[in-house]
Amino acid sequence: QVQLVQSGAEVKKPGASVKVSCKASGYTFTSYYMHWVRQAPGQGLEWMGIINPSGGSTSYAQKFQGRVTMTRDTSTSTVYMELSSLRSEDTAVYYCARGNSQQLAPVGPWGQGTLVTVSS
Amino acid sequence: EIVMTQSPATLSVSPGERATLSCRASQSVSSNLAWYQQKPGQAPRLLIYGASTRATGIPARFSGSGSGTEFTLTISSLQSEDFAVYYCQQYNNWPITFGQGTRLEIK
Repeated sequence: QVQLVQSGAEVKKPGASVKVSCKASGYTFTSYYMHWVRQAPGQGLEWMGIINPSGGSTSYAQKFQGRVTMTRDTSTSTVYMELSSLRSEDTAVYYCARGNSQQLAPVGPWGQGTLVTVSS
Repeated sequence: EIVMTQSPATLSVSPGERATLSCRASQSVSSNLAWYQQKPGQAPRLLIYGASTRATGIPARFSGSGSGTEFTLTISSLQSEDFAVYYCQQYNNWPITFGQGTRLEIK
């Protein structure tokens, strides 16, 4: 079955960077786009961007342009999301979620989430 | 960007009754609308896509309708496991956007 397993929780200081991984299994990794979505404590869902695991092309929400980088490693079927210049407002659970063969698509299944806490 | 507005923010319904959740888009999203369910401490789960198509494994008591700017998620007979937060999402235009969620609670 399709599984997305994310890396563990992180605690970072303001100004630092964090890199979250998402390892996919149970399907052809390069055939499906991967999205990243975050959720601040007690808040709703916020779409961050998308990566094409096949060619590595990306598209980011304007809010995160310049601070987020999404990459992939096809040899390990893993995608990564790196967020830099962290501030307290970036404290959130970060999810990877599989799309389909089209960029604009619903997403599912989702990884279990990675809590990133930004605190001095 | 397209703003998705869900109503009500909280809905109190008794088990066995019907629940109707609404989602409105600030401009037309055609039928490119999905619904997700999220339980405490869990990742969201895709319920409905294409406004009305149930995702794999989703019970028939969940149904979606609408197109353009007005959408509805109906749960025909609420089970205990259905009490959760529900989000709508449009994937018609960049950036993909979500509604703020409707909390479905036990009455």
